[in-house]
Amino acid sequence: DTEVTQTPKHLVMGMTNKKSLKCEQHMGHRAMYWYKQKAKKPPELMFVYSYEKLSINESVPSRFSPECPNSSLLNLHLHALQPEDSALYLCASSLTPPGTGTYEQYFGPGTRLTVT
Amino acid sequence: AQSVTQPDIHITVSEGASLELRCNYSYGATPYLFWYVQSPGQGLQLLLKYFSGDTLVQGIKGFEAEFKRSQSSFNLRKPSVHWSDAAEYFCAAQGNKLVFGAGTILRVKS
Repeated sequence: DTEVTQTPKHLVMGMTNKKSLKCEQHMGHRAMYWYKQKAKKPPELMFVYSYEKLSINESVPSRFSPECPNSSLLNLHLHALQPEDSALYLCASSLTPPGTGTYEQYFGPGTRLTVT
Repeated sequence: AQSVTQPDIHITVSEGASLELRCNYSYGATPYLFWYVQSPGQGLQLLLKYFSGDTLVQGIKGFEAEFKRSQSSFNLRKPSVHWSDAAEYFCAAQGNKLVFGAGTILRVKS
């Protein structure tokens, strides 16, 4: 099973709201990722968690706050977002973290976020 | 800087025709290479990967890719395209993070 699940599928939020995106995998993967994808663009890396610790933050604004409660779960907490943050947010996981061996990333279906 | 280039933004092929999508990479050493496919509004599905060894790799859905070190290329091929192959295709290279090309949108005409 190579499934990564994400909830919700769609989210509409105002600029003053607080919401969270959730990602889950049960493949025993020890690295998890958040990507942001704007329309007609490739995914852009936001965060990497390796063994439940934040290892890469690609200079993402603090209104995005990641959390990894355990090895299977990854959350992205959203607060005071801007309309330009509207995008498809993709979660991915891989068996081993970057730089530790050969691996591939498996992606979830994404959460379509609209900020009004 | 590490980069991946997909020269073709759009490609249109007839159903049943062969397909080749181009990908070039620029890395200090041979990176790990991948092809992903994305249908509209969906996540990315891994088609195939190259880590080392045989330079012709087979993937899912009848796709294959050939790694050519001398050309820094990793082109994706399929001998006979089906209408369901219409999607966006991303080539990606893994160094210390996964770097994607800009993507190629495949249209299939019947």
